[in-house]
Amino acid sequence: EAEVAQSPRYKITEKSQAVAFWCDPISGHATLYWYRQILGQGPELLVQFQDESVVDDSQLPKDRFSAERLKGVDSTLKIQPAELGDSAMYLCASSGQGGDYGYTFGSGTRLTVV
Amino acid sequence: GNSVTQMEGPVTLSEEAFLTINCTYTATGYPSLFWYVQYPGEGLQLLLKATKADDKGSNKGFEATYRKETTSFHLEKGSVQVSDSAVYFCALGIQGAQKLVFGQGTRLTINP
Repeated sequence: EAEVAQSPRYKITEKSQAVAFWCDPISGHATLYWYRQILGQGPELLVQFQDESVVDDSQLPKDRFSAERLKGVDSTLKIQPAELGDSAMYLCASSGQGGDYGYTFGSGTRLTVV
Repeated sequence: GNSVTQMEGPVTLSEEAFLTINCTYTATGYPSLFWYVQYPGEGLQLLLKATKADDKGSNKGFEATYRKETTSFHLEKGSVQVSDSAVYFCALGIQGAQKLVFGQGTRLTINP
């Protein structure tokens, strides 16, 4: 069964350092999402890509977060500088055409900022 | 705006008990509704969905009915198992945007 790959699974970083997460969606899925899930809360959309274009980044803290999907395939989410409040699970998901919300989530990257 | 409110957790039940997790929503337009499940250390998995009013989604013994008149999508299961222990998220799909809005999640623990 096809999966959304994310790496690393776990990341510990010191505050003010830079950190990056990688996501490889299911082959052929045009839409890619990055969600942030703070402990005890539901996931919150950070950024949505359609192919290589950003469709929605209204909740992305643009002063410190950036996301790219240069060739419309894999994607990188970066935080610089990291803050204590960024500690969370970062989930990537992808979906194909058809508008049926056929999301597949990756296993996530657990970030701890110390 | 669009939002989802879930029953406060955690919920602890004995095996074979009846489960209900309440979910209500606020949305513009006609959203699709979903239940996702998250097992420890894993990502979210789609459990079931309903795309229009009065639809019933079902999977693995779980059911939920899209009630437009009460803006609800409560999750039910007649007889839970220890393996159902997980965090359950209700979500709505924003019409035309392919974007999901999640509730805060309900942690379910089933004791043998």
